[in-house]
Amino acid sequence: DVVMTQSPLSLPVTPGQPASISCRSSQSLIQRDGNSSLNWFQQRPGQSPRRLIYKVSNRDSGVPDRFSGSGSGTDFTLKISRVEAEDVGVYYCMQGSHWPPWTFGQGTKVEIK
Amino acid sequence: QVQLVESGGGVVQPGRSLRLSCAASGFTFYNYGMHWVRQAPGKGLEWVAIIWYDGSTTYYADSVKGRFTISRDNSENRLYLQMNSLRVDDTAVYYCVRGYYSGTYPFDYWGQGTLVTVSS
Repeated sequence: DVVMTQSPLSLPVTPGQPASISCRSSQSLIQRDGNSSLNWFQQRPGQSPRRLIYKVSNRDSGVPDRFSGSGSGTDFTLKISRVEAEDVGVYYCMQGSHWPPWTFGQGTKVEIK
Repeated sequence: QVQLVESGGGVVQPGRSLRLSCAASGFTFYNYGMHWVRQAPGKGLEWVAIIWYDGSTTYYADSVKGRFTISRDNSENRLYLQMNSLRVDDTAVYYCVRGYYSGTYPFDYWGQGTLVTVSS
């Protein structure tokens, strides 16, 4: 199984400042078609997860453009250009290149300083 | 709009069974694969099972293989998870999640979840 490792696990941020979350996979997520199935999810307190980014860098509809995804191979990053109060929650990466199983990172808790 | 509404959770003793249901609406259910994902209290997300759009193929996490069965009724737009031989570590919120269909990317819609508590 592909192991997904996120860092940091806790991220205190000042509103208006940038934030970055790293996600590493135990093997390359590049598929035969050249794409990588790497998704990012946001889970606000008390809510269900919501997909933010799919296929490494594609933002879902309604996701603010301050969120961006990048990376390739085994190293991926979620960036928030300017953190807002509503961004508080836990962020998960998930791989879908080598399944089953689909595997998630441990989660990164973003909180406001 | 796409809606996934889970039901059937509750408190159950270890070794007993429970069946979860997910009512889907707002999209052509029979075109999509469907997943169950769970989250133990205060913990992260764990993929549980997938079923193909037509029910022909299923896969399970090792932690539930042989105990859980995913199924669907495309005439009723419903997804199910039959959970047998439940263990304390199956305690979690169970989410119904939309999967793959041509031109879309899976895990785009999640239900609100239903809580299963396994306790004596």
